[in-house]
Amino acid sequence: EVQLVESGGGLVQLGGALRLSCAASGFAFSSYEMNWVRQAPGKGLEWVSYISSSGETKFSADSVKGRFTISRDNAKDSLYLQMNSLRAEDTAFYYCARGPLGGYPYYFDSWGQGTLVTVSS
Amino acid sequence: DIQMTQSPSSVSAFVGDRVTITCRASEGIARWLSWYQQKPGKAPNLLIYAASSLQSGVPSRFSGSGSGTDFTLTISSLQAEDFATYYCQQANTLPPTFGGGTKVEIK
Repeated sequence: EVQLVESGGGLVQLGGALRLSCAASGFAFSSYEMNWVRQAPGKGLEWVSYISSSGETKFSADSVKGRFTISRDNAKDSLYLQMNSLRAEDTAFYYCARGPLGGYPYYFDSWGQGTLVTVSS
Repeated sequence: DIQMTQSPSSVSAFVGDRVTITCRASEGIARWLSWYQQKPGKAPNLLIYAASSLQSGVPSRFSGSGSGTDFTLTISSLQAEDFATYYCQQANTLPPTFGGGTKVEIK
């Protein structure tokens, strides 16, 4: 069974930093592209970042470019999101989401349960 | 970025009703459209990919159609467990973008 378990969320001050983790199990993690998708409380879904299976290729939404960095450790079956210079509008549930084998098209076939990041002044 | 517009934003229906949700892309995305179901407090769940392919384990009462810019999700006979919010998402181009969601409520 595919499992994605996020951790690392919490309350952080405006301008602060946080590192999210996603532990994967039940599938060949190193073969799959991975993503982070977020959802502000009561709002819709927003894609945040993408990383290729090898980790060599990364893309991020304009709203987080230069502040958030996606990475992965295939030896540990883990995905990460380093979030710096946090803003109030970054407050959201952050989901780890798996892309399809082969990486394209860009849909998400498995999701973690999410971790809440709250940015407070 | 490609804009995705869903309609309606909410719909009230009875158990057993046929429900249709539409999604329009601001530019052509071939058949690279996915649909997700999200229940309160839970992560989204993939229902349909490539416009009409049913994800493994998803009941056959869910179906998708369309290509280019106009797409439809149909629930043929609404069940109690289908009351949720549904999102479309274009999977053709980075960044992947989502529609605003359609909340399906009990009438």
